[in-house]
Amino acid sequence: AQTIHQWPVAEIKAVGSPLSLGCTIKGKSSPNLYWYWQATGGTLQQLFYSITVGQVESVVQLNLSASRPKDDQFILSTEKLLLSHSGFYLCAWRTGGGSNERLFFGHGTKLSVL
Amino acid sequence: AQKVTQTQTSISVMEKTTVTMDCVYETQDSSYFLFWYKQTASGEIVFLIRQDSYKKENATVGHYSLNFQKPKSSIGLIITATQIEDSAVYFCAMREGTGGYKVVFGSGTRLLVSP
Repeated sequence: AQTIHQWPVAEIKAVGSPLSLGCTIKGKSSPNLYWYWQATGGTLQQLFYSITVGQVESVVQLNLSASRPKDDQFILSTEKLLLSHSGFYLCAWRTGGGSNERLFFGHGTKLSVL
Repeated sequence: AQKVTQTQTSISVMEKTTVTMDCVYETQDSSYFLFWYKQTASGEIVFLIRQDSYKKENATVGHYSLNFQKPKSSIGLIITATQIEDSAVYFCAMREGTGGYKVVFGSGTRLLVSP
């Protein structure tokens, strides 16, 4: 069975500090991976997606970057955090096309920028 | 550009009743996929049900069903025999079919089921 693990579970960071959030998928080769951001009480905003190692597409510019260093790993990062980066970050993988297509989400990382 | 709109911010119902949540979408694609997800109080997001644009029959999974009205670009979620544990935020989402990787979500509807 496929599992998705996000780390850390929560972070409290200072404005201007760097950030790195991680996501690992096990049991699935070459998964399509997504990063979403959710403000408190808000919708899910897609940030990035990746269909293969080394290839990442940006959906919205929020002064964040993403990388896919390994087939099963997706990293979200920034060198300088802003207050507006606070929120809930979710990694997801999309099953293949057809009737079983859906997104499976990790448990998320809660980020507080102070 | 694709867009998903949920106008109901919150709904309160009594247990064991039926509730309908609205969702309208915008797309230029003739082929698209519609989804409903549930976010629990812990933040966990789980897939509930989907509808493919080319299918005329409304999807049904357990006590979830869809009311797909293609001419109105509408995909309502119906929950029958609601339970306390159905209390959550429900999101409607869409992916365009022509090789699109973007999955756009609506703003969500908070459902509160009371005993």
